[in-house]
Amino acid sequence: AQSVTQLGSHVSVSEGALVLLRCNYSSSVPPYLFWYVQYPNQGLQLLLKYTSAATLVKGINGFEAEFKKSETSFHLTKPSAHMSDAAEYFCAVSLYNQGGKLIFGQGTELSVKP
Amino acid sequence: DAGITQSPRHKVTETGTPVTLRCHQTENHRYMYWYRQDPGHGLRLIHYSYGVKDTDKGEVSDGYSVSRSKTEDFLLTLESATSSQTSVYFCAIKGVAANEQFFGPGTRLTVL
Repeated sequence: AQSVTQLGSHVSVSEGALVLLRCNYSSSVPPYLFWYVQYPNQGLQLLLKYTSAATLVKGINGFEAEFKKSETSFHLTKPSAHMSDAAEYFCAVSLYNQGGKLIFGQGTELSVKP
Repeated sequence: DAGITQSPRHKVTETGTPVTLRCHQTENHRYMYWYRQDPGHGLRLIHYSYGVKDTDKGEVSDGYSVSRSKTEDFLLTLESATSSQTSVYFCAIKGVAANEQFFGPGTRLTVL
């Protein structure tokens, strides 16, 4: 069965510092992988996705993620945090031909200190 | 904007009462999903639909039923609400590429 683990339910960084949010997945076959962001009292917005093309994926708002098959990881990074990045971030996995269902990690809340 | 609306956006109800949440989409997508969001659990799939009258269960389907009588509407029903169903409910549609999903604004349901 697929599963997703996000390491750290809360991450705090200073403005301008590197953001690193960790995501590991378990899957017997190469999956599709996604990062979503949720701002307070809003729905989820797709940040980026991995679909077996390039292993380094660039998304919106300066975020990127690298698919590492050997480590079963899909960590999200941003070189320099901005106050507006404060939000909750979700990693999700999906397999081809399973109705498009997404399996989510538990989420990581990112705080950005001035 | 994937043209997804949810109604109501907020609802408070009492234990034992029936509740129906509505998801409406304007772009004729085949696949629609209902998730619930709870602290520490991320989002979990309740039910999904792959066409009119075609639905299937997700990970946490007990206590919920769904119906899809037309492409644009996907209804989630709690036949007899319980306090454990207090949650934020999100509807989603699947886009055309690689299983990506687009989410509605959510419905916050409180069961007293």
